[in-house]
Amino acid sequence: DIQMTQSPSSLSASVGDRVTITCRASQSISSSLNWYQQKPGKAPNLLIYAASILQSGVPSRFSGSGSGAEFTLTISSLQPEDLATYYCQQSYTTPSRLTFGGGTKVEI
Amino acid sequence: EEQLVESGGALVQPGGSLRLSCAASGFTFSNYWMTWVRQVPGKGLEWVANIKQVGSEKYYVDSVEGRFTVSRDNAKDSLYLQMNSLRAEDTAVYYCARILSGRPPNNWFDLWGQGTLVTVSS
Repeated sequence: DIQMTQSPSSLSASVGDRVTITCRASQSISSSLNWYQQKPGKAPNLLIYAASILQSGVPSRFSGSGSGAEFTLTISSLQPEDLATYYCQQSYTTPSRLTFGGGTKVEI
Repeated sequence: EEQLVESGGALVQPGGSLRLSCAASGFTFSNYWMTWVRQVPGKGLEWVANIKQVGSEKYYVDSVEGRFTVSRDNAKDSLYLQMNSLRAEDTAVYYCARILSGRPPNNWFDLWGQGTLVTVSS
């Protein structure tokens, strides 16, 4: 299976800060990488798909980049409502053996 | 409004069985691949199973292969997960989600249910 490694596993930042989360795949996955946000006690919510495409309704302060085996999720100006855990997920092996990163917990 | 609502979670003894349901509304359910994803409380997300639009293709994570069966009833706009021979390590919140596809192999989970808790314990 393709292993997805996120870093850092947690971070603390202030409102207005620029935040970057990294996701590395154990092999090249082209641009088959998605990002989800999970707020405490809630279901995950799609933020970014195909590495860099912003899901409809998601604030423009979120952006994704990367290809191959290294990807980043950037929050350009952290807001209080961005308190959440963020997960990357590869779909390169679809429709089976889909894998998620371990998550990055963002604290304000 | 597009919505997925899971049900069926419960406390079950090791070795027991349980059937989860996911009711879809607000979209044409039969047009989409569907998936189950689980999350051990306080831990990360784990993909469990996928099923094609007409149920002709099903895929599972290795740890549930042979014990879990994903199915769907498009006439009832419903997705199911039959879980047999349950183990303590199956304890998790189980989410159903809709799969959207772009240029292969890109696909993503764009609509999620609220989750249902399965606890396997004696």
